[in-house]
Amino acid sequence: KAGVTQTPRYLIKTRGQQVTLSCSPISGHRSVSWYQQTPGQGLQFLFEYFSETQRNKGNFPGRFSGRQFSNSRSEMNVSTLELGDSALYLCASRGTAGNSPLHFGNGTRLTVT
Amino acid sequence: GQNIDQPTEMTATEGAIVQINCTYQTSGFNGLFWYQQHAGEAPTFLSYNVLDGLEEKGRFSSFLSRSKGYSYLLLKELQMKDSASYLCAVRDLATDSWGKFQFGAGTQVVVTP
Repeated sequence: KAGVTQTPRYLIKTRGQQVTLSCSPISGHRSVSWYQQTPGQGLQFLFEYFSETQRNKGNFPGRFSGRQFSNSRSEMNVSTLELGDSALYLCASRGTAGNSPLHFGNGTRLTVT
Repeated sequence: GQNIDQPTEMTATEGAIVQINCTYQTSGFNGLFWYQQHAGEAPTFLSYNVLDGLEEKGRFSSFLSRSKGYSYLLLKELQMKDSASYLCAVRDLATDSWGKFQFGAGTQVVVTP
């Protein structure tokens, strides 16, 4: 079974620009979550989608948004980029059983200059 | 996650044992997960506990006490490749019935020869 796939692996953007990151979950997984990871803050929850609906949202500004498609693939968008948005963005999918763990992709390393 | 505490760093020698503690506070506990993350890579799932007691998986074991809000991950016969960050994560049903994962900041384990 293929794992969670994220594209691109690396991105360099300048302040004020916007960016779209993509995530393909493990086949059969309908839940996709997004996390931001920085050295100082650790893994911070952004949002979770299930069957194209946002089920949960973390404490991030409205510049961070996401969506999920009917094939469970997900995208997240960050508009008006700030220097502080530089981070590793991780996508994770999981099954529906209560003990299903999150399965992470390799992440997208975003650098904002 | 502000409700999950784990030590920042631990150092141990090859062949030794290391115990990584994790304490948490949540009103809707529904499982505790341990992840391993090597530098520059995605977190990978190690273990899951939802009932009190010890779960053993080869060189790795994880323990849970729900009444104390406490878990530990035990790494035995340490190998150099075990040098990584270990993340404690709690699934919390308090916010919604689907369950949100909250992560600790991670414990960096350094294995020395």
